[in-house]
Amino acid sequence: GENVEQHPSTLSVQEGDSAVIKCTYSDSASNYFPWYKQELGKGPQLIIDIRSNVGEKKDQRIAVTLNKTAKHFSLHITETQPEDSAVYFCAASNRNAGNMLTFGGGTRLMVKP
Amino acid sequence: DGGITQSPKYLFRKEGQNVTLSCEQNLNHDAMYWYRQDPGQGLRLIYYSQIVNDFQKGDIAEGYSVSREKKESFPLTVTSAQKNPTAFYLCATNGGSSNTGELFFGEGSRLTVL
Repeated sequence: GENVEQHPSTLSVQEGDSAVIKCTYSDSASNYFPWYKQELGKGPQLIIDIRSNVGEKKDQRIAVTLNKTAKHFSLHITETQPEDSAVYFCAASNRNAGNMLTFGGGTRLMVKP
Repeated sequence: DGGITQSPKYLFRKEGQNVTLSCEQNLNHDAMYWYRQDPGQGLRLIYYSQIVNDFQKGDIAEGYSVSREKKESFPLTVTSAQKNPTAFYLCATNGGSSNTGELFFGEGSRLTVL
């Protein structure tokens, strides 16, 4: 089955700096890669996703890049703000696995004011 | 309000007791899921159901049971057979006419075994 590795497990940045979180996946058939943000005591919420037919997607201060050959994808947050502090999860899925999402282990991002 | 409602938000249980966590949705989604979250371990799938009256085991189903008698409801029972039940439990759904693959999560239930 699919295996998703996520690094780093914790990340501390100064407000205004950029943050990058990286994930690798094992199943070359995976074609959907979402990123979720989880604030303290709440459920995760989708912030951005990318499908295998594109290499990059941007939405304001966040962007995701996908390298299908290397089987890795990354989340980029620019101009970080204290409200970006949360746990971020990457995930991967494919139709062959019934579109079931496999999650990475999560990254705790702390943005220092 | 549209969405997913999990209850209770916090629950304390003595060892040896079964406990049932509720998950109700009004999104008209076909599929429902239960995940367990432990610190530093991400989200692990317990059970899922893609249609009423049918459900499948996920990666860590031992010590848990579910039912799916109605489309809107997918309760999870944590039985006394679950060796380490203290965790944060998340219910999720997806599906519907505009299914993009996105999972929608509830606010979670935190279970503590005393």
